[in-house]
Amino acid sequence: GQNIDQPTEMTATEGAIVQINCTYQTSGFNGLFWYQQHAGEAPTFLSYNVLDGLEEKGRFSSFLSRSKGYSYLLLKELQMKDSASYLCAVTDSNYQLIWGAGTKLIIKP
Amino acid sequence: SAVISQKPSRDICQRGTSLTIQCQVDSQVTMMFWYRQQPGQSLTLIATANQGSEATYESGFVIDKFPISRPNLTFSTLTVSNMSPEDSSIYLCSVRRDRGDHNEQFFGPGTRLTVL
Repeated sequence: GQNIDQPTEMTATEGAIVQINCTYQTSGFNGLFWYQQHAGEAPTFLSYNVLDGLEEKGRFSSFLSRSKGYSYLLLKELQMKDSASYLCAVTDSNYQLIWGAGTKLIIKP
Repeated sequence: SAVISQKPSRDICQRGTSLTIQCQVDSQVTMMFWYRQQPGQSLTLIATANQGSEATYESGFVIDKFPISRPNLTFSTLTVSNMSPEDSSIYLCSVRRDRGDHNEQFFGPGTRLTVL
């Protein structure tokens, strides 16, 4: 079966760095997405990785290792507004999006 | 990005009634999807809305319960029929756009449905 695992919840301090991990087992791979979702709102696109390595975009970076079925989202200089759920999603061989359950990130002052 | 609007943004409905949710996109898109997100859960794909033909439903979802229309490339509706409290959820319209080296998926603001 297809499976995406990410931690249910994480807590970090304002100004610090946090890494949210995602592991996946899917039938084929055509890219991995990270989305941010604030409570009560729709998900918004953060990043896309299809090749191994690190993609940096401001305070957010996303890493992919296809051989390990592993990705992480790195958030630097955390701000209170970063408190949200972070969803990992993988496109399989049929270009279907498989969603993780999301990681709830709590930022403390 | 794509601008997607949904109506209504929220509704409270009685058991046994039906609600139709509208999704409007600011430009033509090939692929439109309907998702459900129950409280504390991740996204669950209900169906792919196909323009000019019947929607493609995921396992566990049927046309009689969730009829979908897609009359053109910018508009779709999802109806939640014969509602029960278990249908209380956020319903999200989503579109996929080709960005060259990958497809990017955007979401509408969602419709928060509460069934009493």
